[in-house]
Order: sequence, then structure tokens, then C-alpha cells
Amino acid sequence: NAGVMQNPRHLVRRRGQEARLRCSPMKGHSHVYWYRQLPEEGLKFMVYLQKENIIDESGMPKERFSAEFPKEGPSILRIQQVVRGDSAAYFCASSPPPQPDTQYFGPGTRLTVL
Amino acid sequence: GENVEQHPSTLSVQEGDSAVIKCTYSDSASNYFPWYKQELGKRPQLIIDIRSNVGEKKDQRIAVTLNKTAKHFSLHITETQPEDSAVYFCAASRDDKIIFGKGTRLHILP
Repeated sequence: NAGVMQNPRHLVRRRGQEARLRCSPMKGHSHVYWYRQLPEEGLKFMVYLQKENIIDESGMPKERFSAEFPKEGPSILRIQQVVRGDSAAYFCASSPPPQPDTQYFGPGTRLTVL
Repeated sequence: GENVEQHPSTLSVQEGDSAVIKCTYSDSASNYFPWYKQELGKRPQLIIDIRSNVGEKKDQRIAVTLNKTAKHFSLHITETQPEDSAVYFCAASRDDKIIFGKGTRLHILP
């Protein structure tokens, strides 16, 4: 059973470009979470999704950021018009029913905005 | 909403000694408390967790205790080894959403 997969592992974008981060949950997991981690800091919750539904997006900035988890395919975190402050590691985690609180993390995508 | 405080932010212990990391939470409805270990440049990995119907849980050299009344929980690592050096995060969860503490950087001294 492969773990949580994220790609790309490293992403470099210039200011104003778009960044697309992908996350494939573990097999059998129906819940996906996205977190942002700045250097030397903790994990900040961004958004929680189930298939085709956003359950909680209270941690996600209202502008430029969006997330989806379609019926088929990976979950996507999209950042439009990136700025230098978006540079961070973005981790995705997935969890299984019936205990959706037990989360397993992917390797992360390190976004660098030039 | 939930707020999780973690102390200390940095901890150095001699190899073979014990390490203790403490966390407090604010939401009395939180019912799940996982601990994650993150090595430099790697993903956070779940090392142990405890639910609110249990006061203590142990797995080899790692143990976690929970005091629901005081709303605090602790991680204990005994007989520390060099590979225990990492950042440790506590977290509290209610209704699927996990809130993390800011982390403790643990250094194991030779």
C-alpha cells in the first residue's frame, strides 16, 4: 500500500505565476488535508476535503488559493499569482474512515517563489 | 477555536537520558491527541497517539500521558538515542480537524 504521494517535490515559480500542487491519498483514504509549513515553524491547517466536497477551508487565504478533490484523480492545491510570501513547504495528509482524525503525511512540496 | 501550546521550543538531553515535552489545549471537546516526529527535510510521521478515554499509552521507549481535567498531555522518551533528534509536534483534534503545536526541537547530545 503506497503512502501519500505528492508532486512535484520541488517547485520554483516567479512572482505572478501559478503553482499547482498535487496530492494522491493512500489507497482507501477518503479525507485529504493540506498544511503549510514555513521554515522553523509548525504546521498550519489550510483546508480539509472529501471527494468532491470542501469540508473546512477556514485556514486557507480567501484570495489566490483554491483546493479541490475531484471524484477521479488527485487533490489539487492551486495558488494563483504567487508572491514571495507563498514560499513554504506544503504538506498533504490523508486519513481513513472510520477514524478520519488519524492523518498520514505525504513528503511535501517545497515551493520557492523567485 | 482550538489552541495548542507546546513547551519547550528547544530541548537538549544527554544520550541515554529521558526527554519530556508538554502540551496544553484549550477546547475541552478535543478527543484525539497525536504526536508527530519530523526529521530535517522530511515529512511529519505519526509516532504515537492517545484518545480521551485513555490516560496513558506506551510503545517501547515512547509514552504519552493525558490529563483531561487540566487539559494537558505529555510525550516521554526514555533511553534517548541519537536518532531521536528531530522536531516533535503535539496536536489536538476534534471533528477531524487537527491543530498542531509549534514544535519542540530535540537535540540528543553524545
